Order: sequence, then C-alpha cells, then structure tokens
Amino acid sequence: EPEVTQTPSHQVTQMGQEVILRCVPISNHLYFYWYRQILGQKVEFLVSFYNNEISEKSEIFDDQFSVERPDGSNFTLKIRSTKLEDSAMYFCASLRNTEAFFGQGTRLTVV
Amino acid sequence: SQKIEQNSEALNIQEGKTATLTCNYTNYSPAYLQWYRQDPGRGPVFLLLIRENEKEKRKERLKVTFDTTLKQSLFHITASQPADSATYLCALLSPYNQGGKLIFGQGTELSVKP
Repeated sequence: EPEVTQTPSHQVTQMGQEVILRCVPISNHLYFYWYRQILGQKVEFLVSFYNNEISEKSEIFDDQFSVERPDGSNFTLKIRSTKLEDSAMYFCASLRNTEAFFGQGTRLTVV
Repeated sequence: SQKIEQNSEALNIQEGKTATLTCNYTNYSPAYLQWYRQDPGRGPVFLLLIRENEKEKRKERLKVTFDTTLKQSLFHITASQPADSATYLCALLSPYNQGGKLIFGQGTELSVKP
C-alpha cells in the first residue's frame, strides 16, 4: 500500500543552523501538508500546498519557514536559523479526496 | 479565530464499555469533520469522516455524530478493547476552494483497562 515517507527520522542540529526535512507524498495525491507537534502538545498546522503553491499557512509559518516541491515527488520543509523552540516532531501528510495520510515524522532536536 | 476543543482530560474506561469523546469547534464552517488515532511517537491515522450534511456515520465499532447547529461531534467506540488505547484527534477540513486547510484538536487520550 502506498505510504508517505519522511527522512530523516531524527535530526539534531545546532541553534542557528538551517535544516531541510524531506517528504515523499503519495504520488497521485493533490494536497500536501506540514505539521509540527511539540512533545505532549497538539498537532499544529503549518502549511498546505496545492498545485505547486502554498494554499494556506498558519501564523507559525513565518519567514523562517519555506516549502518546496522541487521535482514532482519530494516535498521539503526548510527551517532557516533554527531556534531551541523549533524542537518538535514534524509530520508531512498528503490528501486523497478527503483522507489524509501521514508520514512517521522527523524528530528535530535543536541544541 | 478558529478553535477546536476536545475533552481535555484523559478518559479511562473498562474493557467492553463504550467510550465517548467530544469535539467542539467555533468560528469555522468545515466541509468535513474527521477523526484520527495517534499512537505515541507516530503520525495520526485516519479513522472516519463525516460530511456537513450528515448526522451520523458508522464503521465497525466506531460511530461519529455531527451537529452543525451545536458545532459538535461525538465519537463512540463500542465494546472497547485495550488495543483501542491511544490519543484520538478531531480534525476539520475546509473545502478545497477555501484552501483545503486541515486542522486538529488537541486530542483526547483514551485508556482501556482489561
């Protein structure tokens, strides 16, 4: 069965560094999402992406963040100049009709 | 601003009983209301969806109701089992012509004791 894959599963980075989180959504899906979940807290919407552009973004998704779908298969989230409070689990999801499929997440630790 | 509220406290029930979880929302007109299951350290997994013009939906031991007047959904698991122990997330999906935004409540942790 097709699935959403995310790499790496765990990333440790120094504060102030840039990180790129990678996702391969399910190929025939149309909407793609990034979410953040700080330990013990809710799944927070960051951004939705449709037809090669951002369709919605939250207040969290400021200039520090960007998304790209560079080659028609990968979907990336870039975080510039990471802060300690960016430490969280980041989930990618893709939507078929009305059902969202989530990847297993990337645990980002900023030290 | 848009808000989704779920039972804030964890729910502990005995195996075989029915678990009922609540989801309330404000300032939102979703096209679809969804329920997901999340296990520790893993991504949410889709369970059920109900449309804005539907009152009730069932799937095996799961039942969802949707009241757009009260802006509330109830999620029931009948004949609960210890394997049902997890966090259950309510989610609202906007229509595609409004950005297709999918947002989640904070989740309710369910524990089913044998």
